[in-house]
Amino acid sequence: DAKTTQPTSMDCAEGRAANLPCNHSTISGNEYVYWYRQIHSQGPQYIIHGLKNNETNEMASLIITEDRKSSTLILPHATLRDTAVYYCIVRGGSSNTGKLIFGQGTTLQVKP
Amino acid sequence: DADVTQTPRNRITKTGKRIMLECSQTKGHDRMYWYRQDPGLGLRLIYYSFDVKDINKGEISDGYSVSRQAQAKFSLSLESAIPNQTALYFCATSDRGLAGGRGHEQFFGPGTRLTVL
Repeated sequence: DAKTTQPTSMDCAEGRAANLPCNHSTISGNEYVYWYRQIHSQGPQYIIHGLKNNETNEMASLIITEDRKSSTLILPHATLRDTAVYYCIVRGGSSNTGKLIFGQGTTLQVKP
Repeated sequence: DADVTQTPRNRITKTGKRIMLECSQTKGHDRMYWYRQDPGLGLRLIYYSFDVKDINKGEISDGYSVSRQAQAKFSLSLESAIPNQTALYFCATSDRGLAGGRGHEQFFGPGTRLTVL
């Protein structure tokens, strides 16, 4: 599974969009990009995933560059409850290990 | 996620004691996982199971053992606890891999905070 690089921390004003970047320059053709978040010592929560097309669900949008070497998670209207550590994970869609490799993630602080 | 429960939620024990952490799920998933998280770090995989009686080692299985006697239950044991096993432990479940990268989403329990003195 490809390695990912994320900024250590970011701030965002409440009500504004939070844009969290992730670099995955060694991603291979069959690997998906997954995003999870962890709110203060709770269990991580799945947010969204994608292969090459942009994806949107009720929680967030995922924008993947055309070369797939980077992606951005967008929380359109951040609230204080979105303060959390956000993990970008790359893994093969057909991987048999089931393993998620959690890096350090990005600590997002949403401020009033 | 209320569909994945862990017991106990907190435990303080002494060095050398045997400890069992329990995980139960009502999602009907085949796959279950145990992770540990140390302060300021990401999660690391201890063991995982793809089906009843199927057991696979993760990154850091030394000092741990697991049991999967039923689809809904996956237990983690520390045979002889030591202080550096003090950590937050998470259980997770997932469905089989499906097309489009679906099914690989993992659903986590609330965690067990274990302290070994």
